[in-house]
Amino acid sequence: AQSVTQLDSQVPVFEEAPVELRCNYSSSVSVYLFWYVQYPNQGLQLLLKYLSGSTLVKGINGFEAEFNKSQTSFHLRKPSVHISDTAEYFCAVSVLPFGNEKLTFGTGTRLTIIP
Amino acid sequence: DAGVIQSPRHEVTEMGQEVTLRCKPISGHNSLFWYRQTMMRGLELLIYFNNNVPIDDSGMPEDRFSAKMPNASFSTLKIQPSEPRDSAVYFCASSLDGITDTQYFGPGTRLTVL
Repeated sequence: AQSVTQLDSQVPVFEEAPVELRCNYSSSVSVYLFWYVQYPNQGLQLLLKYLSGSTLVKGINGFEAEFNKSQTSFHLRKPSVHISDTAEYFCAVSVLPFGNEKLTFGTGTRLTIIP
Repeated sequence: DAGVIQSPRHEVTEMGQEVTLRCKPISGHNSLFWYRQTMMRGLELLIYFNNNVPIDDSGMPEDRFSAKMPNASFSTLKIQPSEPRDSAVYFCASSLDGITDTQYFGPGTRLTVL
């Protein structure tokens, strides 16, 4: 079975500073990887996803993530954060082959932007 | 499109009562998902429908939980009888086709069981 680890439960960052949110996964087969964001009192929204192809994936709101198969990681980055990026960020993994997919979420990282 | 619609937004009930949560997916989406979010357990997939058929209900905690999707535009999640440990935010999400397609989440139902 697959699993996802988000080591940092909380990350405080100054406004306009860069940020990296870490995500590592465990799976014995090929995976699909996702980052979702949850703003306060809202449902989740997809930021970006890796299915295949280029390992550098660009998403909405200036975020990007890089799939590193050898390190089983999919870290999320943004070069300059804004107050509006304050939210909880979830990494998720789904395994192949299709037919019995499961989507497993990490425990989330709360990103707090300091003015 | 109005997005995924969930009702009620908040529900407070007493232990032992039946609770029914409702979801209307985005029109044209073939897949629907029910999630539960708690501080202790994070976000858990409870059940997943594709074309109104339950594909995976392995996340349903126990027999007290049941979910139905009688048609493409409506689904319910029922808890009977409810217990305090069922207190959580329940999210419904839909996607065009399958679990790896972008999922669009509703605003959630905050359930409190006293």
